[in-house]
Amino acid sequence: DAGVTQSPTHLIKTRGQQVTLRCSPISGHKSVSWYQQVLGQGPQFIFQYYEKEERGRGNFPDRFSARQFPNYSSELNVNALLLGDSALYLCASSLGQGAGTDTQYFGPGTRLTVL
Amino acid sequence: AQSVTQLDSQVPVFEEAPVELRCNYSSSVSVYLFWYVQYPNQGLQLLLKYLSGSTLVKGINGFEAEFNKSQTSFHLRKPSVHISDTAEYFCAVTLFSGGYNKLIFGAGTRLAVHP
Repeated sequence: DAGVTQSPTHLIKTRGQQVTLRCSPISGHKSVSWYQQVLGQGPQFIFQYYEKEERGRGNFPDRFSARQFPNYSSELNVNALLLGDSALYLCASSLGQGAGTDTQYFGPGTRLTVL
Repeated sequence: AQSVTQLDSQVPVFEEAPVELRCNYSSSVSVYLFWYVQYPNQGLQLLLKYLSGSTLVKGINGFEAEFNKSQTSFHLRKPSVHISDTAEYFCAVTLFSGGYNKLIFGAGTRLAVHP
């Protein structure tokens, strides 16, 4: 079975631009979560979506937004890019059981560089 | 509030030697613990997880971890490492609140296996 897929692999943008990152979850998984991993740090939670609804949001500014589609794929949008947005953006999928035992499986990530 | 502390930022070890990567957590509720591995320029791969039951958990690639509730620890061990185990290892705990769960990660431990 295919794992979590993300596109694009790499992206270079300039300050002030907008970016859209895409994620397809594992077949049968209904929940998608997004994490930001700055170089040298552990991933930080951004969003979780389940059945097209936002379930949770981390401590990120409103420049960050996301959505989930009927096929459970998801997009992460970041507006007005700052240099500090440069990071690896990871998508994780899970069954979405709404329990602490729901295991998250990660994709390969999208490396965003803001110049 | 839940948090994760990985006690070593870097662990150098010779090939075929045993290794232990240390992880301590703080949590006021039921604990679900994970270890993920990140190879260079890749996403996170699930190594193992503790959800309930036996405190000794076996994972992929010969790794195992022991959940110790009294010491609030979840250390990762391997009896004999290979060059291919060189990677970043992340310990994480689930925070389940408001109907969704998110992973809280430690800062990571870089395992460097030398010949």
